[in-house]
Formats: sequence, C-alpha cells, structure tokens
Amino acid sequence: QKEVEQNSGPLSVPEGAIASLNCTYSDRGSQSFFWYRQYSGKSPELIMSIYSNGDKEDGRFTAQLNKASQYVSLLIRDSQPSDSATYLCARNAGNMLTFGGGTRLMVKP
Amino acid sequence: EAGVTQFPSHSVIEKGQTVTLRCDPISGHDNLYWYRRVMGKEIKFLLHFVKESKQDESGMPNNRFLAERTGGTYSTLKVQPAELEDSGVYFCASSLVSGGEQYFGPGTRLTVT
Repeated sequence: QKEVEQNSGPLSVPEGAIASLNCTYSDRGSQSFFWYRQYSGKSPELIMSIYSNGDKEDGRFTAQLNKASQYVSLLIRDSQPSDSATYLCARNAGNMLTFGGGTRLMVKP
Repeated sequence: EAGVTQFPSHSVIEKGQTVTLRCDPISGHDNLYWYRRVMGKEIKFLLHFVKESKQDESGMPNNRFLAERTGGTYSTLKVQPAELEDSGVYFCASSLVSGGEQYFGPGTRLTVT
C-alpha cells in the first residue's frame, strides 16, 4: 500500500461546478498535509496547507482533514478552466513531504 | 520576494558524465529540500538541509549523488557518474521552518543518454 494515494483521474467537471479531490494515507501518525497544483511542465505550487482535523477555507478552496478515516480532500468551488491542472496531495512528515501520484482535473467551459 | 530558483532548467548529458544542479532558496529560508520525479512516478524526497547541515539524506539513491550547502545559502546537487536511471526532474524546495510550508522551484530536467 502506498503511503499517500490519489485517483489519477482525469476528473472532469463543468465550469462553475464544485471539484472534489481526494487523498488517502496509511500512516495514522500523520499530522499535516499540503495540496499543490501543478500545471504541465511547471513546478508544484502550494495552494493549501492543513494541520488539524476539520475544514480550512481559503477563497474558492476548502481543505478537509479526517484523521479517523485517514483521508484528506480538496474542494474547489466555482471551478474555472484555469483550474485545470494536476493536484498533488502531500503528507508533511516534518522534514520531508511524501507525495501522492496526483489527480488530473479538467474543467470544461 | 523572489521564489526558489534553480539552474539549469534543462541538462542533457551522456552516461558516465558529471552534472551539477544548483538551487537558490527563498531568502531567509533555512530549510532546503531536494526532490526528484522520475517518469511516471511520484515526486520523491532526496534530502533536507537546515542551514548548512544535512538533517536527513535518507532519500538519496546512492553514493553517486552528493549534495552540499556551503554557507547555508544556495545548494548544489552533483551526480557523478550519471546513469540512465538518473533521468528525471529534480526539484528544490525551501521553507522558513522545519515542518513548515514548502515552496518549490521550477525544477531541472535532467536527461541522461
């Protein structure tokens, strides 16, 4: 079992819809997670960090962490074509990040 | 504020040659990390510096890889001699504090032929 798992997608949503991206992890001791967005050929761009159980909202983005069920999710409200990218979930182990394989999101106009 | 920068952006070398990658972290960030993504795989951790000290190099593949961060500013990652399986994108990231948010550079795409 991989430490951090994501559905590779693609996840296709219409413009204006809510995109829901999910990530599961195996280490129950995991404390915090980061979500990165990566456009093709570009570097990962940090969009959200979440350090405690529950929800964290920032603009159109909401990160959710459920430690009991060992999953993390990212919701993108009012999805735009410019949100089309690969979204990477990363477990923060303090001195290193462990990444999932990423979910490709396609937002169709 | 300038972000993390990396040089070169691309490097094509032959098997057996040496390549040195450079990373300049965000100013003031004591923590510097190296990661690598090989084709079709997840981004993998290589090592972590705090200032000039190596905190964790558990992800370094083998002794052909040498990372340095003299003076605690920029870092270099040298691959000597390069092998075909070393091809991939090498990312550098930095954070203000250990365990804090990590900001990635644009990466160096290394191709070993």
